Amino acid sequence: AQSVAQPEDQVNVAEGNPLTVKCTYSVSGNPYLFWYVQYPNRGLQFLLKYITGDNLVKGSYGFEAEFNKSQTSFHLKKPSALVSDSALYFCAVRDTAGNNRKLIWGLGTSLAVNP
Amino acid sequence: DAGVTQSPTHLIKTRGQQVTLRCSPKSGHDTVSWYQQALGQGPQFIFQYYEEEERQRGNFPDRFSGHQFPNYSSELNVNALLLGDSALYLCASSSLGQSSYNSPLHFGNGTRLTVT
Repeated sequence: AQSVAQPEDQVNVAEGNPLTVKCTYSVSGNPYLFWYVQYPNRGLQFLLKYITGDNLVKGSYGFEAEFNKSQTSFHLKKPSALVSDSALYFCAVRDTAGNNRKLIWGLGTSLAVNP
Repeated sequence: DAGVTQSPTHLIKTRGQQVTLRCSPKSGHDTVSWYQQALGQGPQFIFQYYEEEERQRGNFPDRFSGHQFPNYSSELNVNALLLGDSALYLCASSSLGQSSYNSPLHFGNGTRLTVT
């Protein structure tokens, strides 16, 4: 069965430090992977995606993510965190195998960047 | 270029009542998906509409129904409201084409439904 796990409910980092938000997945075929961010009382905003090609994907607001097929992971990273990055982050995966192409969502990780 | 718009932004209903939420997709998009997001949870897929038909459905009871209009806008209806239906309801639009499965969703800001 398809699944996504975000093992950390909350991540705390100091402003200016690098940040990592973890995501692991399980699919039958090849994955399409996405990261979204949600600010309070707002909808989700797309950050970046991995479909194929380079394992390191660059996205909006200086974020990047690294696809690791052997570890079935797609961790979100940023070299230098900003206070304004504080938000809820969701990882999502879509399986390319079979007929079920629903987007499966993680439970989210709350990122707090401290000044 | 207008993004996804949802109305109303907030709604308070009583248990047993019915509610209708509305969504206009981003310009150029023809597919609308609805999600329920409970407090502190990730989005839960309700259903997706394309060409005025429900194409996919998540694990939600028949009390949840929808509609898509010829202009691609959509409504989500919930009957016989329960306290547990209190959540943020998100509409997301996309374009159903060859690349649809790798295209990101565009979300509205949601409707906050409170059932008392």
